[in-house]
Amino acid sequence: AQKITQTQPGMFVQEKEAVTLDCTYDTSDQSYGLFWYKQPSSGEMIFLIYQGSYDEQNATEGRYSLNFQKARKSANLVISASQLGDSAMYFCAMREGYNTNAGKSTFGDGTTLTVKP
Amino acid sequence: GAGVSQSPRYKVAKRGQDVALRCDPISGHVSLFWYQQALGQGPEFLTYFQNEAQLDKSGLPSDRFFAERPEGSVSTLKIQRTQQEDSAVYLCASRSRGLSYNEQFFGPGTRLTVL
Repeated sequence: AQKITQTQPGMFVQEKEAVTLDCTYDTSDQSYGLFWYKQPSSGEMIFLIYQGSYDEQNATEGRYSLNFQKARKSANLVISASQLGDSAMYFCAMREGYNTNAGKSTFGDGTTLTVKP
Repeated sequence: GAGVSQSPRYKVAKRGQDVALRCDPISGHVSLFWYQQALGQGPEFLTYFQNEAQLDKSGLPSDRFFAERPEGSVSTLKIQRTQQEDSAVYLCASRSRGLSYNEQFFGPGTRLTVL
């Protein structure tokens, strides 16, 4: 069974600074995908970044980067130059499989990020 | 709009009532997912469709939960004889055909409150 662990229920960061949100995962699959989502208070889940288990380079999307350490089974999200609008709940998730039939995602319990002005 | 839509956005039901939650995925998206999100927790998988075929329903918590997608587009999640523990946000997501890294696009959710 797959499991995602996010050990930081809440994090604070000063505006314009960088912050790392931790995520560790457990799976017996060789092929999987790792995702980070942002959920603001409005409730909608917003996709941020993806990392495939076979990708050798760490994924980056603008101010977001994923620090993927496969041997340690960790997939931490780094947000650079934090903005007030980054205040939200952040979820790490894993999807089994690596083909078009890949199905369900398993989510962690989230980290609430608060950006201070 | 081009996104995933869900209706109703809010639903209050008395314990024992049946409810039906609707999801309109992005046009042309093959895969459709339902998740249940309890307050303060991450979404939990309920069921998954590829076109009209329900490929995985392992997350449905009981036989009171039923989902369908008869024409491979709109999906309905039905909960019979609702219980207080069914109170949650129900999220629908869709994904296009392609490699598994295609992101899931989520709808705004339906917040169900069972009194």
